[in-house]
Amino acid sequence: GEDVEQSLFLSVREGDSSVINCTYTDSSSTYLYWYKQEPGAGLQLLTYIFSNMDMKQDQRLTVLLNKKDKHLSLRIADTQTGDSAIYFCADFSGGYNKLIFGAGTRLAVHP
Amino acid sequence: SQTIHQWPATLVQPVGSPLSLECTVEGTSNPNLYWYRQAAGRGLQLLFYSVGIGQISSEVPQNLSASRPQDRQFILSSKKLLLSDSGFYLCAWSWVSFTRDRGGSPLHFGNGTRLTVT
Repeated sequence: GEDVEQSLFLSVREGDSSVINCTYTDSSSTYLYWYKQEPGAGLQLLTYIFSNMDMKQDQRLTVLLNKKDKHLSLRIADTQTGDSAIYFCADFSGGYNKLIFGAGTRLAVHP
Repeated sequence: SQTIHQWPATLVQPVGSPLSLECTVEGTSNPNLYWYRQAAGRGLQLLFYSVGIGQISSEVPQNLSASRPQDRQFILSSKKLLLSDSGFYLCAWSWVSFTRDRGGSPLHFGNGTRLTVT
């Protein structure tokens, strides 16, 4: 079946940029999403990118998509302590109207 | 605007007891509805999804069941809980139609229920 993979942990210094990476296997992906989960909470949709785009920027967030390599990344500029959370990459599996989620990357921001 | 409500927020239940978690959506009609489970330190596992009243698809064989008695109500149940049922349960909804101006058909999640089976 389709799969989405992410590294599990990332630690950055406050004020630096964070880059969270994701790879997926579905060659027919149309949309890819990034979600944020704060401790004890549900998932919040952060941003998404359509498969015919290479890049999308939304304030401090930049999403890069390399469709050839099936690689997605989320860059957070000027990372703050409030950005500490788990970030999930998700791939729309259009044939089943479902999202396939990665395991999540835990971002820790330290002073 | 659309909102999703999920309750209870936390639940501690003994092994062998029944379970009922409820989820309701407001501000939209005929949504797709989903139940996910997140085990401690792990990713999301899709348990059930529903495209309409009484229509339930199960993703994994397990001790749980789901029902959709009304358009915007989704219930997760068990007759007898197991220790392995402990986890963080998330309800989500999405639009039925897949449209570019909505970013495809993203999921919108509730705040989750932390279930501990003792």
